[in-house]
Amino acid sequence: EDQVTQSPEALRLQEGESSSLNCSYTVSGLRGLFWYRQDPGKGPEFLFTLYSAGEEKEKERLKATLTKKESFLHITAPKPEDSATYLCAVSMEYGNKLVFGAGTILRVKS
Amino acid sequence: AAGVIQSPRHLIKEKRETATLKCYPIPRHDTVYWYQQGPGQDPQFLISFYEKMQSDKGSIPDRFSAQQFSDYHSELNMSSLELGDSALYFCASSLTTLGEQYFGPGTRLTVT
Repeated sequence: EDQVTQSPEALRLQEGESSSLNCSYTVSGLRGLFWYRQDPGKGPEFLFTLYSAGEEKEKERLKATLTKKESFLHITAPKPEDSATYLCAVSMEYGNKLVFGAGTILRVKS
Repeated sequence: AAGVIQSPRHLIKEKRETATLKCYPIPRHDTVYWYQQGPGQDPQFLISFYEKMQSDKGSIPDRFSAQQFSDYHSELNMSSLELGDSALYFCASSLTTLGEQYFGPGTRLTVT
């Protein structure tokens, strides 16, 4: 069964304290791995797509990396406005649905 | 930039009633997806359409049906509503079935 596991479930950081979120996956035929940010009561906001092991993408304070079994979302010098739930999702070679992980709730305090 | 539009944003229905949710994809996007997100849960895939044809199906109850129209907008029809159907319903769209999925703001359905 296709599975996506995110850790930690919740993370509290001080402003400026860098850290990483983990997304491990077990799927039969990965087509792509996606990172989304979701604020309470709002739709997931697309951040990154990664397609192959070794690929990296950056946007402002965020950097996503991909290996054959997991992905990391690195947050450098976070600010309070980075507080949100970060969702990891995968798509498979068959079909076009996204399978999501449970998310990591990030809180950044000033 | 234009985003996915969903209507209504909030909907309150009683048990056994029917609800219709609408989704207008980003212009030029030809693929539409529906997801259900319960409180404190991750989004669960329901169904998707490409060029008005169903392209993938997830854990969508038989009481639900959906379609995509010639202008690419989509509607999710939900009948015989149950209390457990209360959730956020998101529509997403992509440029082709392989593209990144962009989500709308969601419709919050409350069944009483």
